[in-house]
Amino acid sequence: VVLTQSPATLSLSPGERATLSCRASQSVRSLLAWYQQKPGQAPRLLIYDADKRATGVPARFSGSGSGTDFTLTISSLEPEDFAVYYCQQRSNWPPCSFGQGTRLEIK
Amino acid sequence: QVHLVQSGAEVKKPGASVKVTCKASGYTFKDYYMHWVRQAPGQGLEWMGWINPDSGGTNFAQEFQGRVTLTSDTSISTAYMEISGLRSDDTALYYCARAAPRAFDLWGQGTMVAVSS
Repeated sequence: VVLTQSPATLSLSPGERATLSCRASQSVRSLLAWYQQKPGQAPRLLIYDADKRATGVPARFSGSGSGTDFTLTISSLEPEDFAVYYCQQRSNWPPCSFGQGTRLEIK
Repeated sequence: QVHLVQSGAEVKKPGASVKVTCKASGYTFKDYYMHWVRQAPGQGLEWMGWINPDSGGTNFAQEFQGRVTLTSDTSISTAYMEISGLRSDDTALYYCARAAPRAFDLWGQGTMVAVSS
C-alpha cells in the first residue's frame, strides 16, 4: 500500500487551522496512524485507528477518514506544533508503510 | 516509566556489519512486537521489519530480507538489529519501536549508523 501525503509543505501561522491529507492506494479500512516528528527527536504517536488520540495528545489534534482518504486536523496551531507529520498504515502488511511526510512550517 | 534505550552511534566501512541494541524497560518485553524503522538524513521513515520477542518470529520488508537479522533476549528485555554488507546508502538513523495493537506507541531515541570509507 502506497500512502501519499499532501501537501508536502504547509505554511501557516500560530492560531490557524491545519489540515493534512493522507491518501492510500487501496483501502486500509480505519487502520491508519499519524505521527509527529520534531527535529532531533523520534516520532511520536498522535492518532491511531484513524480517529483515536493517543495518551497525552492535546484535543486540538483530531483524525478522520476511512478506506483510502484520511485527514489530520490541528484546530488552532500552537508554536510547538510546527514539525513533520507522517501517516502510517498497518492494514495490509507487511510491509508496514509510511507516507512521505508533510512539513508544517511557520509562515 | 516505559522506555526504549538504544545503543550509541556507529561508524562503519562499506561491507562491514553493525548491530544495534534496543533495551526495553517498564513493561513486559515479550508481550509486544518490536519493529525497526530507519530514516536517512533529511528523508522520511522506512519500515524495516519486526520481531516477536516471545516466539522469535520475524518479518522483513523485501529490500532488507537476507541482509538484516532481528533477534531478542527476553531475559534482559533487549532487541537487536544487525545489518550486514553495509553500503553508503545504509547511512541513517535507526529506530526501534514498540507495536501496540494498531500503531507504534513507544520509540527508542534512535541510533545513527554512518557508512563511510
